Amino acid sequence: QKEVEQNSGPLSVPEGAIASLNCTYSDRGSQSFFWYRQYSGKSPELIMFIYSNGDKEDGRFTAQLNKASQYVSLLIRDSQPSDSATYLCAVPSGGGADGLTFGKGTHLIIQP
Amino acid sequence: NAGVTQTPKFQVLKTGQSMTLQCAQDMNHNSMYWYRQDPGMGLRLIYYSASEGTTDKGEVPNGYNVSRLNKREFSLRLESAAPSQTSVYFCASSDTGSTTDTQYFGPGTRLTVL
Repeated sequence: QKEVEQNSGPLSVPEGAIASLNCTYSDRGSQSFFWYRQYSGKSPELIMFIYSNGDKEDGRFTAQLNKASQYVSLLIRDSQPSDSATYLCAVPSGGGADGLTFGKGTHLIIQP
Repeated sequence: NAGVTQTPKFQVLKTGQSMTLQCAQDMNHNSMYWYRQDPGMGLRLIYYSASEGTTDKGEVPNGYNVSRLNKREFSLRLESAAPSQTSVYFCASSDTGSTTDTQYFGPGTRLTVL
């Protein structure tokens, strides 16, 4: 059974600062990694996907992957109050169609 | 293009009652999934359907059954509801089910079992 670990938080960050969210995973064979954002009472929505070691940038979001350390992170630059949400890290459970294994999520609060 | 839709949005059941949660997608996706989300537990996979005509158990299948009615629809049935099944249920779909596919989630069904 794959495991994905996240600090549940809450993580409190001042507006305009960089928010750093971390995730570790148990299966060294995991190849792809997803970051979902979930607002309270809403469904998860994908914000980043990464499968290569190194950094991937999309607007204010940067995903960082280090397969040797089994560690993936999400950086949010110039944090806005609208970024306040729970961020879920996920890996494919098996061959892809087997669904995703999620971490428990990190609750992020951006303080105005 | 509605994406993934779920009905009902809210439901209250008594212990022992049965019900079916409905899910449909209009994105012509092959793979569909049912998850439950509990406070402090994250999202856990109940059942999945890699393609029309196939279904498989996920991490927490006990007490549930599923039906892939056609390519668009994937239903989840609780035969005899228990308080432990109080949760938020999300349906999701993905194009081919590959490890790089994005899963798109429905709005969820909030179920309370008394």
